[in-house]
Amino acid sequence: AQSVTQLGSHVSVSEGALVLLRCNYSSSVPPYLFWYVQYPNQGLQLLLKYTSAATLVKGINGFEAEFKKSETSFHLTKPSAHMSDAAEYFCAVSRSGAGSYQLTFGKGTKLSVIP
Amino acid sequence: DTEVTQTPKHLVMGMTNKKSLKCEQHMGHRAMYWYKQKAKKPPELMFVYSYEKLSINESVPSRFSPECPNSSLLNLHLHALQPEDSALYLCASSQDSGAGFNEQFFGPGTRLTVL
Repeated sequence: AQSVTQLGSHVSVSEGALVLLRCNYSSSVPPYLFWYVQYPNQGLQLLLKYTSAATLVKGINGFEAEFKKSETSFHLTKPSAHMSDAAEYFCAVSRSGAGSYQLTFGKGTKLSVIP
Repeated sequence: DTEVTQTPKHLVMGMTNKKSLKCEQHMGHRAMYWYKQKAKKPPELMFVYSYEKLSINESVPSRFSPECPNSSLLNLHLHALQPEDSALYLCASSQDSGAGFNEQFFGPGTRLTVL
């Protein structure tokens, strides 16, 4: 079984401040991890993914995430928030082998950026 | 072309109507998915097609009927829906469903309202 916990359903940051969105996962096998962003009334867009090649993963729009096996975490960061970053962010986990089609999402974190 | 398209963008239907949602991708992906997303919730998997065959049905009521006419197209036929079926319906595709490291590409969704 696999699961994802996103700490904080709503995070507010000032424009130009550090963005930190937290994600912890649980998986009985080595996981594949993803961060998706969803703008209002739109589909999900992939920000970045971890597939075991490198623990620090760089994505689009200046976001990056670090896979920490010891902490079972995959937190998303961005050094300086822009107004355009305001959206819903989902962390997701999948796996190899049986059930690999299953993309298990966290409950999401809504990011607000204050001017 | 890294896009998944969905039509229509919005759909309003009565409980006795029959309608269809359409999804298309031209990335050569062999796995396609239907998700249902309620407000402020993560997407919930409904169906998985792998190589044009239905491989996963997540106990979805029979009033939802998926169809995969070819490797690029995915339809969702709707009949006798209930108001609680109102949601954003998302289509996604990936290279295949048997490798968890393949990210899923999402379409913009169809906003369905059942009266």
